[in-house]
Amino acid sequence: GAVVSQHPSRVICKSGTSVKIECRSLDFQATTMFWYRQFPKQSLMLMATSNEGSKATYEQGVEKDKFLINHASLTLSTLTVTSAHPEDSSFYICSARAQGRAYNEQFFGPGTRLTVL
Amino acid sequence: SQQGEEDPQALSIQEGENATMNCSYKTSINNLQWYRQNSGRGLVHLILIRSNEREKHSGRLRVTLDTSKKSSSLLITASRAADTASYFCAPSPTDKLIFGTGTRLQVFP
Repeated sequence: GAVVSQHPSRVICKSGTSVKIECRSLDFQATTMFWYRQFPKQSLMLMATSNEGSKATYEQGVEKDKFLINHASLTLSTLTVTSAHPEDSSFYICSARAQGRAYNEQFFGPGTRLTVL
Repeated sequence: SQQGEEDPQALSIQEGENATMNCSYKTSINNLQWYRQNSGRGLVHLILIRSNEREKHSGRLRVTLDTSKKSSSLLITASRAADTASYFCAPSPTDKLIFGTGTRLQVFP
């Protein structure tokens, strides 16, 4: 149990386009989902926290107008990278916290590799 | 920042040897978690140790926590080539996970 999926796993796009990444909890309901970004050989950096039905909370330095997060249901959150540029190329990982589980026990998706040309 | 700092940054060992990774952090925590990440993949949760626990075991993994020193260690016994990965600690004072810089473990067959 506690499986989180991400789609797509890999995406290549042209500079200036927008890319949507989906994060789904497959066998549990996730009250909270988290989005992380990871550059090569570096740690995961938390971008934002999203709670179902409310606005996401962004970490300092993360542009909310550039990284749009929607958490419309208890099993789906989306991250849209708007007007992507090469510097947005990174590995994006989501995680989900299950209802009723330890308050910070998170289950991670497999990640999405974004390459902006 | 609550970010954990792992030590060493990189570790290379032979199969069958033990691997020890350390994590230090700065402020009080409720619990601390260890994760593994294979190259280009998502994170796999290994173990969670609460602030009132000193040691925890899970299979070949042993985690210790010393809240007075604000440090934790992860020991992998009888390592295997499949243990090759990056290992991250995540000390947690709140519901956020703030990851450390990680230890890159290479286990040679």
